[in-house]
Amino acid sequence: AQSVAQPEDQVNVAEGNPLTVKCTYSVSGNPYLFWYVQYPNRGLQFLLKYITGDNLVKGSYGFEAEFNKSQTSFHLKKPSALVSDSALYFCAVRDPVPSGGYQKVTFGTGTKLQVIP
Amino acid sequence: NAGVTQTPKFRILKIGQSMTLQCTQDMNHNYMYWYRQDPGMGLKLIYYSVGAGITDKGEVPNGYNVSRSTTEDFPLRLELAAPSQTSVYFCASRSGNTIYFGEGSWLTVV
Repeated sequence: AQSVAQPEDQVNVAEGNPLTVKCTYSVSGNPYLFWYVQYPNRGLQFLLKYITGDNLVKGSYGFEAEFNKSQTSFHLKKPSALVSDSALYFCAVRDPVPSGGYQKVTFGTGTKLQVIP
Repeated sequence: NAGVTQTPKFRILKIGQSMTLQCTQDMNHNYMYWYRQDPGMGLKLIYYSVGAGITDKGEVPNGYNVSRSTTEDFPLRLELAAPSQTSVYFCASRSGNTIYFGEGSWLTVV
């Protein structure tokens, strides 16, 4: 069964410092990996995805993520954090192999990012 | 292009009442989903649909029903509301590998 782990419930970082939000995954085949951001009382917004190709993927709002197959990780990064980046971040994995007619998407439990001015 | 639109945004239900959460998308996506989000639990899939007339159960379907009479609409029905259904509900649609979410519906069952 596929799974996603976000080991940190909360990450605190000072404004202007680099940030990393961690994600590890487990899936039977080659994974499709995603990051979403959720602002308070809002839906999830797509940030970036890894399907194939370059291990470093760039997304919205200056975020990027690095796919590491040997470590089964897909950590979200940003070189310089902004206070407006404070939100809840979800990692997700999709198994490209259908199971029961459905390519299952599994979401992590979320990491709250707090950027301190 | 409004994306995925959910209504209502907030609702309080009494135990045993029924209600329908509405979801519509204007992107002509075939795949649509209903998730619930509980604190510290991530998102759990309730039901999904791969096109008009086709629906199937997700991970946590008990207590819910759906229909998909058109490509645009994917309503979620709660027949006998229970406190365990207090949650935030998200409708979503998919194009390729990207899922687009609605703004969410906050439901409290008392």
